[in-house]
Amino acid sequence: EPEVTQTPSHQVTQMGQEVILRCVPISNHLYFYWYRQILGQKVEFLVSFYNNEISEKSEIFDDQFSVERPDGSNFTLKIRSTKLEDSAMYFCASSGQGHSNQPQHFGDGTRLSIL
Amino acid sequence: ILNVEQSPQSLHVQEGDSTNFTCSFPSSNFYALHWYRWETAKSPEALFVMTLNGDEKKKGRISATLNTKEGYSYLYIKGSQPEDSATYLCALGNAGNMLTFGGGTRLMVKP
Repeated sequence: EPEVTQTPSHQVTQMGQEVILRCVPISNHLYFYWYRQILGQKVEFLVSFYNNEISEKSEIFDDQFSVERPDGSNFTLKIRSTKLEDSAMYFCASSGQGHSNQPQHFGDGTRLSIL
Repeated sequence: ILNVEQSPQSLHVQEGDSTNFTCSFPSSNFYALHWYRWETAKSPEALFVMTLNGDEKKKGRISATLNTKEGYSYLYIKGSQPEDSATYLCALGNAGNMLTFGGGTRLMVKP
């Protein structure tokens, strides 16, 4: 069964450094999402992306964050200058359609640790 | 800010027991309610997407109901097995399929 893959599984970075988290969505999906879960908290929406544009973003997704689909397969989340509070599990997801009745397929996540 | 709540936070049951847990959400401007099963160190797996009041969905021993007027959904597991041990997440979907998650119910099934 096709799946969403994320790399790396764990990223350790010094505060202030840039980090890029990578995702390969399911190949025929058109809608892409990033979520994060800070330890002990709920999973939170960051951003949705369709047709090379951000469709929706949360308050968390400030100027430090950006997303890109650099080629036909990858979908990346960049954090420009990481802060301690960016430490979290980051999940990528994709769906075939953008309607609310469409399940999202999640990757295994990237654990980001900021030192 | 939407508030999606799940109860209980955790649940221990014996193998063979049936169990259920609750997801509550604001009943206004409802689009969809998603249920996911999340095993440790794996990705959340979609179980159900429910859109209509009174919806009932079933997948093997797991089923879910939806009441959009009062803002709740129940997830039922019949005859729990150790492999059902996982965190069960519900999430409210908006028009653009942005998901707002509850805190999850962590189920542990003892053999």
